[in-house]
Amino acid sequence: QKEVEQNSGPLSVPEGAIASLNCTYSDRGSQSFFWYRQYSGKSPELIMSIYSNGDKEDGRFTAQLNKASQYVSLLIRDSQPSDSATYLCAGGSRAGGYQKVTFGTGTKLQVIP
Amino acid sequence: ETGVTQTPRHLVMGMTNKKSLKCEQHLGHNAMYWYKQSAKKPLELMFVYNFKEQTENNSVPSRFSPECPNSSHLFLHLHTLQPEDSALYLCASSHPGLATNEQFFGPGTRLTVL
Repeated sequence: QKEVEQNSGPLSVPEGAIASLNCTYSDRGSQSFFWYRQYSGKSPELIMSIYSNGDKEDGRFTAQLNKASQYVSLLIRDSQPSDSATYLCAGGSRAGGYQKVTFGTGTKLQVIP
Repeated sequence: ETGVTQTPRHLVMGMTNKKSLKCEQHLGHNAMYWYKQSAKKPLELMFVYNFKEQTENNSVPSRFSPECPNSSHLFLHLHTLQPEDSALYLCASSHPGLATNEQFFGPGTRLTVL
């Protein structure tokens, strides 16, 4: 069973702090990794994708990938109350020309004003 | 707005009803997906269509029947559902030709089976 594991949380951080979300995956064939943000009652929104070992930064978000450890993380700097949501980690592999993606159950983040 | 639309947004149906969910993408993608999201569970892939051809059926019960008439439209036909089928049904699309091949989701249909 190919799995993506996340701590369900909730992870509570004060406004302005750094939120650190972590994820591990079991499928060594995964080539691409994604972080989605999902507000309550809404659909997942892609916020970061990463394909190579190391860090990738986009605004307040930094994704980190370590394929040897099968570990993916998302850092959110200067956390805002509007960042409060569930963050889904996902790993993808190409299968017959499309992207087969396995999702974790998500980590709920609460940013306290 | 991600360019993927779904209708209806909410649906309540009895176990003997027949209904259909519709998804349309305006992104020029060639792959479309149906996912089921239940509480406390990861997103479950149901079906994949790549260039209108079904390439994945993830052991989904036959009471769910997908249809993909073209690369922009995807349907999920529902009949004789069970209460445990109540969930958020999400459509997504991606462009297999891109190295990134990121999936973009529609707003979902919240389904309640009575």
